[in-house]
Amino acid sequence: QTVVTQEPSFSVSPGGTVTLTCGLSSGSVSASYYPSWYQQTPGQAPRTLIYSTNSRSSGVPDRFSGSILGNKAALTITGAQADDESDYYCVLYMGSGIYVFGTGTKVTVL
Amino acid sequence: QLQLQESGPGLVKPSETLSLTCTVSGGSISSSSYHWGWIRQPPGKGLEWIGGIHYSGSTYYNPSLKSRVTISVDTSKNQFSLKLSSVTAADTAVYYCARHRAAAGIGYWGQGTLVTVSS
Repeated sequence: QTVVTQEPSFSVSPGGTVTLTCGLSSGSVSASYYPSWYQQTPGQAPRTLIYSTNSRSSGVPDRFSGSILGNKAALTITGAQADDESDYYCVLYMGSGIYVFGTGTKVTVL
Repeated sequence: QLQLQESGPGLVKPSETLSLTCTVSGGSISSSSYHWGWIRQPPGKGLEWIGGIHYSGSTYYNPSLKSRVTISVDTSKNQFSLKLSSVTAADTAVYYCARHRAAAGIGYWGQGTLVTVSS
């Protein structure tokens, strides 16, 4: 069973920068996994931030960026704002129509 | 603007079958480029991809749920459906329908519907 791992939590100061990662229990994440990132606030459906590693979804501020860092996918928030305080999930496409969500990261801005 | 809306019972008894439908508006479910999927989130926990379907009828399931899941599509109604059999309390969750494609991610989400498994 494939496990996609994320940091459980991160804290960032307003205006600061934070990088969340998305890794595989075995193996490296590459662009061929089409990593995507989602933001979710309590009681709301997730919002798509990044798809296909580094493409920003429509309306997403450019302070959100995606990349591959080493053997993991990464989401960087540059110039964090109070309303960035949310849960963040990555998704990897495993091929054959199968997707796997990461374990999620809770980001606190304080 | 594409919109997805889940519908179905909010309460299901243990051992019974959970059934949900997603109605797509503002676009055709018969787009060759996309898959239509179901995702769930137990209270206080993370998101889990359940499975997806192409309008042609090809289906793709989470291996951990595959034995209990059936996803179907009705192109005439622009709808697709989820059936999850032999449910237990562990299947209590908010269920989302969504449109996805590998290179485009999960681009559109329904608002989600809470299904509680309880007698």
